Amino acid sequence: EVLLTQSPGILSLSLGETATLSCRASQSVSSNYLAWYHQIPGQAPRVLIYGASSRAAGIPDRFSGSGSGTDFTLTINRLEPEDVGVYYCQQYGNSVRTFGQGTKLEIK
Amino acid sequence: EVQLMESGGGLIQPGGSLTLSCVASGFTFSTNAMSWVRQAPGKGLEWVSSITGSGTDTFYADSVRGRFTISRDNSKNTLYVQMNNLRAEDTAIYFCAKYTVMGDLDHWGQGSLVTVSS
Repeated sequence: EVLLTQSPGILSLSLGETATLSCRASQSVSSNYLAWYHQIPGQAPRVLIYGASSRAAGIPDRFSGSGSGTDFTLTINRLEPEDVGVYYCQQYGNSVRTFGQGTKLEIK
Repeated sequence: EVQLMESGGGLIQPGGSLTLSCVASGFTFSTNAMSWVRQAPGKGLEWVSSITGSGTDTFYADSVRGRFTISRDNSKNTLYVQMNNLRAEDTAIYFCAKYTVMGDLDHWGQGSLVTVSS
């Protein structure tokens, strides 16, 4: 099983700032099959990034993904109020899929 | 418009069984792999199980293997998960979700709450 460790656990930033979220895998993620999801409390998650760096349909270009192998990053530029919530990474390079534990983003 | 609607959740005693259903619409169900993902109260997301479009191949998290069975009826556009020998730690909202060809989950249902308690 590929374990995903996300950091930081909580990120508190101001509107307009840049958020940098990390996801580290216990072994190399096959073909960089890594996705990022955003979840607002009480709602289902929504995919932001797939294949480590491709934006999903309808996702603004303020969101970008990067990385390969075991280290991946989600960057959110020009933070807006609707960006609050929890962000999860997920690997799907292995038939047993796994999620990271999440990073909670707060706006000061 | 893609829609996924889960049902079948509720309160069940430890050791009991429950089957969740997810009715899909708005896409060609039989050509898409599907998944169940759960979220315990106040906790993060946990992938539970996946099934290929044809239903030929299934995959499970270690925490549910041997107790949960995923299946689908493509004639009814419906995904199922049969959950046996339920434990308190299975208490969660269960989401069904649709895979894209790239492997990410692009559409999710609103979830069905399963509570395992005596």
